[in-house]
Amino acid sequence: EADIYQTPRYLVIGTGKKITLECSQTMGHDKMYWYQQDPGMELHLIHYSYGVNSTEKGDLSSESTVSRIRTEHFPLTLESARPSHTSQYLCASSWDSQETQYFGPGTRLLVL
Amino acid sequence: SQKIEQNSEALNIQEGKTATLTCNYTNYSPAYLQWYRQDPGRGPVFLLLIRENEKEKRKERLKVTFDTTLKQSLFHITASQPADSATYLCALGGFSGGYNKLIFGAGTRLAVHP
Repeated sequence: EADIYQTPRYLVIGTGKKITLECSQTMGHDKMYWYQQDPGMELHLIHYSYGVNSTEKGDLSSESTVSRIRTEHFPLTLESARPSHTSQYLCASSWDSQETQYFGPGTRLLVL
Repeated sequence: SQKIEQNSEALNIQEGKTATLTCNYTNYSPAYLQWYRQDPGRGPVFLLLIRENEKEKRKERLKVTFDTTLKQSLFHITASQPADSATYLCALGGFSGGYNKLIFGAGTRLAVHP
């Protein structure tokens, strides 16, 4: 079991609210990622980070933002949630020189 | 266009049989290919990685093949068990760009019946 944690696991929230999805890993990995996954569909990369103070947008356009102030922490923020943001959000991390990604359990978000 | 194809229909097999899942891709040139297992409501878990210069990789009851000419990978689970029931994702990686970019297929759901 990978040491990567996500909170909350489930979140139901109203339109227009600001939310932050938390992701922490205790493995000392440099690289971290956020994916979005709808049921039965592929994972799509929305953000990634090489290390502290490094963040980049992924392949899928997203209205969310991320920060990387500490190695172990990579939170994702939605300033104003909309129903189109309803999805599962998965956080992952990897060693700098290795290709395997370790995933957290995910946050299932429902925006009403 | 670039595409990864995994069988969208669930694969149903009897316990003890070998399950074979397929991953086909077009217009990609990955340096390696990975297979992950995903259980409902959970994140994917890494199973195996195979590089472009490797034909086959094994780990316990798992075997992966990689044919870069056919642009296809086959994932085998021998002596399958009900506990192997899950969705299996293939992911292509090793592209240029500097980060560990992985491109995932949508996965194939495997159901192993007692």
